[in-house]
Amino acid sequence: SAVISQKPSRDICQRGTSLTIQCQVDSQVTMMFWYRQQPGQSLTLIATANQGSEATYESGFVIDKFPISRPNLTFSTLTVSNMSPEDSSIYLCSVDSLGDSYNEQFFGPGTRLTVL
Amino acid sequence: AQSVTQLDSQVPVFEEAPVELRCNYSSSVSVYLFWYVQYPNQGLQLLLKYLSGSTLVKGINGFEAEFNKSQTSFHLRKPSVHISDTAEYFCAVRSDSNYQLIWGAGTKLIIKP
Repeated sequence: SAVISQKPSRDICQRGTSLTIQCQVDSQVTMMFWYRQQPGQSLTLIATANQGSEATYESGFVIDKFPISRPNLTFSTLTVSNMSPEDSSIYLCSVDSLGDSYNEQFFGPGTRLTVL
Repeated sequence: AQSVTQLDSQVPVFEEAPVELRCNYSSSVSVYLFWYVQYPNQGLQLLLKYLSGSTLVKGINGFEAEFNKSQTSFHLRKPSVHISDTAEYFCAVRSDSNYQLIWGAGTKLIIKP
């Protein structure tokens, strides 16, 4: 299994500012995913981040609003830009596993963002 | 396209009673099925998964699920719940040709003392 940490664990931000969320994995992984979980909702995939290539964004999410970096096989960042109260959510990083449990995803603890 | 339906948004149950959380999926291809649990203010943790083989899958914390291909279901069960099982439970599916997980809306399990 993979151990994933996220920073910050929570933040309260002002409208119009940006926040960068970090995701660190204790092993090298090919695919990293960023999800949004709005209050009382299920998970929505924002984008898939592969090392050495541009992130692939899902419908409804754009790079200008959610720029992603993936500088190496153990780290990624997601920036929430020009925030509005509608961006208040939990943001989750996950990774695809390798080996005999290759079909599951492991999740970080999440970053709880409140935008005022 | 695949989809996942969790029929109950909330399931209240008394402590030590059995519980079943329902999950149905639709897919035209073979799928892998997962149940994840999210405890209050925490990330998601894998409870169990079905990849192939035996249709009855046992997971952590005494949970099990049965894959029923004809009914396209993957219901989660526990014979006796504890207060510590209070959490939200998510069913998810992916095909063998696509790495993406498709998520259900989640079911909140509420344990009554």
